[in-house]
Amino acid sequence: SQQGEEDPQALSIQEGENATMNCSYKTSINNLQWYRQNSGRGLVHLILIRSNEREKHSGRLRVTLDTSKKSSSLLITASRAADTASYFCATGLYNQGGKLIFGQGTELSVKP
Amino acid sequence: DSGVTQTPKHLITATGQRVTLRCSPRSGDLSVYWYQQSLDQGLQFLIQYYNGEERAKGNILERFSAQQFPDLHSELNLSSLELGDSALYFCASSAEEWNIVGQFFGPGTRLTVL
Repeated sequence: SQQGEEDPQALSIQEGENATMNCSYKTSINNLQWYRQNSGRGLVHLILIRSNEREKHSGRLRVTLDTSKKSSSLLITASRAADTASYFCATGLYNQGGKLIFGQGTELSVKP
Repeated sequence: DSGVTQTPKHLITATGQRVTLRCSPRSGDLSVYWYQQSLDQGLQFLIQYYNGEERAKGNILERFSAQQFPDLHSELNLSSLELGDSALYFCASSAEEWNIVGQFFGPGTRLTVL
């Protein structure tokens, strides 16, 4: 079963613009992670935010987490054509080892 | 390159058959995870092994089984294959038992059941 729902399902922007993707989940989490997938290839881990953190930055990426609303957002600033990919949020749960539950993903297209 | 290797890259087989997918984790990683990605189900967690022991289980069908060997590589066995088993199967690895820094994914095995 899917834990996360992502919004929007697809996003098309111009190079240089910012891209914001949102993720909502249903149960209490230990952490939330964002991954990128290029066209049917393996997923690449982008960033992890723990349940007691509210915001985290990594390069052009900014992630926020609101546990009261059970939601997270991923902001990519100054986007590039190379950022074109699908982006997935994944939740790590307590007492379930390293199990991750993935959302359906947001397909981002950055036009040059 | 994540350092996780999966073989084969592509597999085409018939319904009712059995296949084995292989995964080698990154050097030093003790956890191996298996995921299935399909258009209708999305990315689904199947199972995790940590240092040879089953650690967490997802919606893995009874026709599917996995194991992790002493050298830490893992195999996913899929039997009595059905058309609906056609999917991308990913292996991922991490150093620890729990998700502390994220998982490293292999390139996947694309399984087509005809």
